Amino acid sequence: AQSVTQLGSHVSVSEGALVLLRCNYSSSVPPYLFWYVQYPNQGLQLLLKYTSAATLVKGINGFEAEFKKSETSFHLTKPSAHMSDAAEYFCAVKRGQGAQKLVFGQGTRLTINP
Amino acid sequence: GAGVSQSPSNKVTEKGKDVELRCDPISGHTALYWYRQSLGQGLEFLIYFQGNSAPDKSGLPSDRFSAERTGGSVSTLTIQRTQQEDSAVYLCASSLAVGGRNEQFFGPGTRLTVL
Repeated sequence: AQSVTQLGSHVSVSEGALVLLRCNYSSSVPPYLFWYVQYPNQGLQLLLKYTSAATLVKGINGFEAEFKKSETSFHLTKPSAHMSDAAEYFCAVKRGQGAQKLVFGQGTRLTINP
Repeated sequence: GAGVSQSPSNKVTEKGKDVELRCDPISGHTALYWYRQSLGQGLEFLIYFQGNSAPDKSGLPSDRFSAERTGGSVSTLTIQRTQQEDSAVYLCASSLAVGGRNEQFFGPGTRLTVL
């Protein structure tokens, strides 16, 4: 069975600092990987997705993630945090072309300090 | 165009009552999904509809939960004899087609509170 592990349920950074949110997956076949963001009282919004086209994926709002097969990781980064980045972030995986269900990590709440 | 919409946005009910949650997917999307977000369990898959195929009900937690999708569009998630552990945010999503790379677009959710 596939699973997703997000290291750190809470991450706090200063405005302007690097954001690094960690995600590791376990899958027996190359997966499709996604990062979603959830602002308070809202649904999930896709930040970016890995679909095997390129290992470095650029998303919205200045976020990017790098797929590293050797480390089974798909960490999310942003060079300079903005106050508006405060939200909860979810890493998710789908296994293979036929898979439909998203399997989510537990989420990481990002706090930005002024 | 409009995104995925869900109603009601909030629902408070008493233990033992039945509730119905509605989802309107994005027009033209053939796949529709229900997920549940709760403090203890995080985000978990409940059920998935794709066109006229039989739904994948593998995530439904008990036989008190059921869902239908009428005319390939609107879906209703029904919880019978609600329990306090059913309190959660129920999220609906839709996608244009099948396939692992297809993005799922999420609605704002229905927050269910069972007293």
